[in-house]
Amino acid sequence: SQQGEEDPQALSIQEGENATMNCSYKTSINNLQWYRQNSGRGLVHLILIRSNEREKHSGRLRVTLDTSKKSSSLLITASRAADTASYFCATDDTGGFKTIFGAGTRLFVKA
Amino acid sequence: DAGVIQSPRHEVTEMGQEVTLRCKPISGHNSLFWYRQTMMRGLELLIYFNNNVPIDDSGMPEDRFSAKMPNASFSTLKIQPSEPRDSAVYFCASTHQGQFSEQFFGPGTRLTVL
Repeated sequence: SQQGEEDPQALSIQEGENATMNCSYKTSINNLQWYRQNSGRGLVHLILIRSNEREKHSGRLRVTLDTSKKSSSLLITASRAADTASYFCATDDTGGFKTIFGAGTRLFVKA
Repeated sequence: DAGVIQSPRHEVTEMGQEVTLRCKPISGHNSLFWYRQTMMRGLELLIYFNNNVPIDDSGMPEDRFSAKMPNASFSTLKIQPSEPRDSAVYFCASTHQGQFSEQFFGPGTRLTVL
């Protein structure tokens, strides 16, 4: 069963705009990760945020985590056409071995 | 590092045939995961290994699916007999336990069962 659920399912924006994707989960987590998948490729890890962290940055990416609401958001600033991809959130089970992926948000950035 | 290596990249077979997918994890990683991705069901975890031992195979859909990891550098996922509904992209991923499970994915094997 899926732990993380992304919202929206699909997002279309103009190049230069910001893109925000949200993820909600059901049970306590050790950490939450965001991955990107370009069409026809494997997933690529973007950023990991631990349960005791509230915000993390990596280049144009900003991730927030609200454990009280069991939700996370991924913000991509100044989007580029190359950011067009599917974005997945993933959470670990309490053992830390198993990562459960959500259904993903499909982002399309128009040039 | 070459990253996670999967073979073949594409496989087309007929219903009833045996299919074997292969994966070489990143050297030094001690956890390995097999996933299946389809449009309808998204990304599903089939099985994962830790130190070559299967930890959780609850995602394996049926007895037709089996996975092995004979050593730290090689794993196989076998489907016997294959069915059209097995058509999907199968990903292998590896990680180093203790590093909060950042996973490195292979390029995937696109399986088509006719």
